[in-house]
Amino acid sequence: GQQVMQIPQYQHVQEGEDFTTYCNSSTTLSNIQWYKQRPGGHPVFLIQLVKSGEVKKQKRLTFQFGEAKKNSSLHITATQTTDVGTYFCAGPSLDAGKSTFGDGTTLTVKP
Amino acid sequence: DTEVTQTPKHLVMGMTNKKSLKCEQHMGHRAMYWYKQKAKKPPELMFVYSYEKLSINESVPSRFSPECPNSSLLNLHLHALQPEDSALYLCASSQDYNTEAFFGQGTRLTVV
Repeated sequence: GQQVMQIPQYQHVQEGEDFTTYCNSSTTLSNIQWYKQRPGGHPVFLIQLVKSGEVKKQKRLTFQFGEAKKNSSLHITATQTTDVGTYFCAGPSLDAGKSTFGDGTTLTVKP
Repeated sequence: DTEVTQTPKHLVMGMTNKKSLKCEQHMGHRAMYWYKQKAKKPPELMFVYSYEKLSINESVPSRFSPECPNSSLLNLHLHALQPEDSALYLCASSQDYNTEAFFGQGTRLTVV
């Protein structure tokens, strides 16, 4: 079955440093979604990418979808303490299978 | 209204109890989901309803029984649960199957 891997599992940064998490699927995806879950909270939708090579920005966050639609990345510029949480990618295979979540990357930010 | 509302927020139940988790959305979304999430793990899909019909059951034990009374409501009926079923149960909805999902705040379930 489809596997979605994220690296790194944990990332500790000093406030102001940049952060990147990578998502890799074993199968080609029809789309990919990114979610953020704060400690004790629920996943909150950030963005969906659909097209091969697509890049989207939300303020300090930049999302990319790979050309082969099998990988994606989330980059945060100049992290802030409000960025703390676990970032998950999720996406369905092209065969319209169920959407699988990656294991997540947990970001901690030291003020 | 961009909310998915789940009740109750917390639930403690014995292994012989019967309880139900409720989920409601008024965004006109046609797909609704139940997920189970253990600590420090990603959400794990349990059930998907698409256009009020059960379209995916991820081999979930029969002690979990989903129900979709109408397009806005989703229930999860619980019976004879085990302590290892203790987890955060999340409901989500999306406009169509496998598009961006909006999650409720979850029900934190403890089975004693």
